[in-house]
Amino acid sequence: SQELEQSPQSLIVQEGKNLTINCTSSKTLYGLYWYKQKYGEGLIFLMMLQKGGEEKSHEKITAKLDEKKQQSSLHITASQPSHAGIYLCGGTDTNAGKSTFGDGTTLTVKP
Amino acid sequence: NAGVMQNPRHLVRRRGQEARLRCSPMKGHSHVYWYRQLPEEGLKFMVYLQKENIIDESGMPKERFSAEFPKEGPSILRIQQVVRGDSAAYFCASSLAGSYEQYFGPGTRLTVT
Repeated sequence: SQELEQSPQSLIVQEGKNLTINCTSSKTLYGLYWYKQKYGEGLIFLMMLQKGGEEKSHEKITAKLDEKKQQSSLHITASQPSHAGIYLCGGTDTNAGKSTFGDGTTLTVKP
Repeated sequence: NAGVMQNPRHLVRRRGQEARLRCSPMKGHSHVYWYRQLPEEGLKFMVYLQKENIIDESGMPKERFSAEFPKEGPSILRIQQVVRGDSAAYFCASSLAGSYEQYFGPGTRLTVT
């Protein structure tokens, strides 16, 4: 089964700084998604990537998927305290069925 | 259009009791997935169901855990004779048939005392 590894495990940045979170799959993915989770709450869908080389942006968050569809990065520009939380990458290796998730990256943004 | 609903949001059970977690998928979604998030760990797949059918239960513990998604009504994740190690957040997601886009519910936080 596929494995997803996220790095770093945790990240502390000063407000206004840029940051990147990485997600690497052991297999080629059919689809990859990024979620944000506030401690003790559910998952908030951020973005979904399906095509090799695809890049999507929403407000100050940009996600990319490499051509081989095994590696993704999430980049936050000019971070704010509202960006704090746990970022999870998830992926499927088929067009339907279960998702595998990374262990998450805990982001702290210091004002 | 309501999203995925889960209830209860919080559930406290004593060791040995049964826990029943409910998930109502989004309207029109016929596929349901259950995931478990243990403290300080990531989400782990448990089971994937269609109406009246279990598609993939490779992530379900062999004993005490069962899941169903009947023709009518919500999907139920049932844990019999709960133990402290079952304490976790249980998330349900739903999707349209043949789609990998899963929409998550808010989760049920189970605490076993």
